Amino acid sequence: DGGITQSPKYLFRKEGQNVTLSCEQNLNHDAMYWYRQDPGQGLRLIYYSQIVNDFQKGDIAEGYSVSREKKESFPLTVTSAQKNPTAFYLCASRPHKPRGGYTFGSGTRLTVV
Amino acid sequence: AQKVTQAQTEISVVEKEDVTLDCVYETRDTTYYLFWYKQPPSGELVFLIRRNSFDEQNEISGRYSWNFQKSTSSFNFTITASQVVDSAVYFCALSEAPSGGSNYKLTFGKGTLLTVNP
Repeated sequence: DGGITQSPKYLFRKEGQNVTLSCEQNLNHDAMYWYRQDPGQGLRLIYYSQIVNDFQKGDIAEGYSVSREKKESFPLTVTSAQKNPTAFYLCASRPHKPRGGYTFGSGTRLTVV
Repeated sequence: AQKVTQAQTEISVVEKEDVTLDCVYETRDTTYYLFWYKQPPSGELVFLIRRNSFDEQNEISGRYSWNFQKSTSSFNFTITASQVVDSAVYFCALSEAPSGGSNYKLTFGKGTLLTVNP
């Protein structure tokens, strides 16, 4: 079955470390997105990519970086510059036109220890 | 700028009650899409419905129904005869379709936590 796989499900980071969250999709979707969710908040857009080798900053890109070397993969790196990285991170993808809505992964919960 | 407001932070009902989740949106675009997603405790967002701005027909799917009213910029979601399995966070979201582009990024409300008690 097609879908989005995010790994790991839980991730612990020490202060000052960079960590990378994985997002892989086998839906042949063109666009991919990273959202951050904090308790009591909606989802906020970090980065998005509409095609391979191209990506755009979202509303809260500071302290994050991404790459899109393959259509199937859109990894997110949380850098040491991100001062408050503890959150739930969701990856999503969609086809060229959002006929059926976006597809989301199951998320990665990042905790700074 | 686009904005989605879900004024109800938490709702608690007893099983079999009907419940309506409110969603009000703001957009300057004439072409846009509205969505509802369900987020169970597992965390994954489950797509429920997509509605485009040109289709104001209400929709019913089993116990779920949606009332889209452009005049009041609202897209409310009703669960009839609620069940314990309906307990989740529900998000309303808006996607504009800017001319000449295909961004379609989603703007989410803050969500409504629905608890259905047995």
